[in-house]
Amino acid sequence: GAVVSQHPSWVICKSGTSVKIECRSLDFQATTMFWYRQFPKQSLMLMATSNEGSKATYEQGVEKDKFLINHASLTLSTLTVTSAHPEDSSFYICSAQSVSSYNEQFFGPGTRLTVL
Amino acid sequence: AQSVAQPEDQVNVAEGNPLTVKCTYSVSGNPYLFWYVQYPNRGLQFLLKYITGDNLVKGSYGFEAEFNKSQTSFHLKKPSALVSDSALYFCAVRDIAAGNKLTFGGGTRVLVKP
Repeated sequence: GAVVSQHPSWVICKSGTSVKIECRSLDFQATTMFWYRQFPKQSLMLMATSNEGSKATYEQGVEKDKFLINHASLTLSTLTVTSAHPEDSSFYICSAQSVSSYNEQFFGPGTRLTVL
Repeated sequence: AQSVAQPEDQVNVAEGNPLTVKCTYSVSGNPYLFWYVQYPNRGLQFLLKYITGDNLVKGSYGFEAEFNKSQTSFHLKKPSALVSDSALYFCAVRDIAAGNKLTFGGGTRVLVKP
């Protein structure tokens, strides 16, 4: 149980285009999901907290208009990187918080974004 | 604000030898501590957690961790390391007061040599 999927697993796009990454909790409902960014050989950096039916809460230094988050249902949150640039290339990981598992976070497999 | 420190960027150990990955933390309230493992180009896999109770926590794949309140440490251990344990390990602390956010340490790369 407690499986989280991400789609796509990897994506290559041209500079200036937008990319959408989906995060799904497959067998549980998640009112809260988290989006992280990880640069090579570095730790995870929390970008934003996504709450179902409300606006996301962004961490300091993360551009809201650049990284659009939509948490439209209890099993799906999306992260859209708008007008992507090479410096946005990174590994993006989501996690979903399970109320039934004492608010433990379950992580997706990650999405590798490469912007050319 | 809470914080997590993993003082070693990399740990090298021979297969069959004991493995220890160090973690210290700083929190204002009760600590909720976690260990995760990450393989290349993969997400995080949960190993174990400490919420309350026994200071020695047993987790997946033969790993265990000891919570030490006086030293504010939560070191990860495995009695006999395997080559397949080579990966990136993260210690994390949950901030209940901040919506259950996880704060991660910098990570420790473990290399187990045959």
